[in-house]
Amino acid sequence: AQSVTQLGSHVSVSEGALVLLRCNYSSSVPPYLFWYVQYPNQGLQLLLKYTTGATLVKGINGFEAEFKKSETSFHLTKPSAHMSDAAEYFCAVSEVSRTGFQKLVFGTGTRLLVSP
Amino acid sequence: NAGVTQTPKFQVLKTGQSMTLQCAQDMNHEYMSWYRQDPGMGLRLIHYSVGAGITDQGEVPNGYNVSRSTTEDFPLRLLSAAPSQTSVYFCASSGGWSTEAFFGQGTRLTVV
Repeated sequence: AQSVTQLGSHVSVSEGALVLLRCNYSSSVPPYLFWYVQYPNQGLQLLLKYTTGATLVKGINGFEAEFKKSETSFHLTKPSAHMSDAAEYFCAVSEVSRTGFQKLVFGTGTRLLVSP
Repeated sequence: NAGVTQTPKFQVLKTGQSMTLQCAQDMNHEYMSWYRQDPGMGLRLIHYSVGAGITDQGEVPNGYNVSRSTTEDFPLRLLSAAPSQTSVYFCASSGGWSTEAFFGQGTRLTVV
């Protein structure tokens, strides 16, 4: 079974600083990887995804992530944090069930705190 | 577009009561699923469906039932609520393999 590890339950940055949220996965097959963001009292929203092709993936709100197979990592970055980036971020890997369903296996989440 | 709509947004139940969490989507998606979110544990899959009439268990199915009679609706039933089912529940839908999953706003359930 697939699994996802997100290092750091909380990450604090200053406004304008680099954001780096770490995600490592385990998968026996080439994975599909996702980053979701959850703002307070809301559902999850897709930031970006990797399926095949280019390993550097660009998403919404200036975020990007790089798939590194050799390191089994899919870290999320943003060059300059904004106050509005404060939220919880979830990394997920897809796993196919026996009925063909794309199951999302989530990490435990990282809460990003942005200070002025 | 409404996307994925969950009702109710908040609910308090007494131990042993039953209830149904509603989920509807208007995107004609075949895949629908229910997750629960608990602090420090991320989201865990409860049940899912790959189409009308087809459902299967996820990671934490005990205490929950589902059915899928239409493409649009995927209700989650708690048979006899327990305090361990206090959680935030999310419904999601997607069009298929590798496509984006769209999430509802969540239902915050407290069982006392």
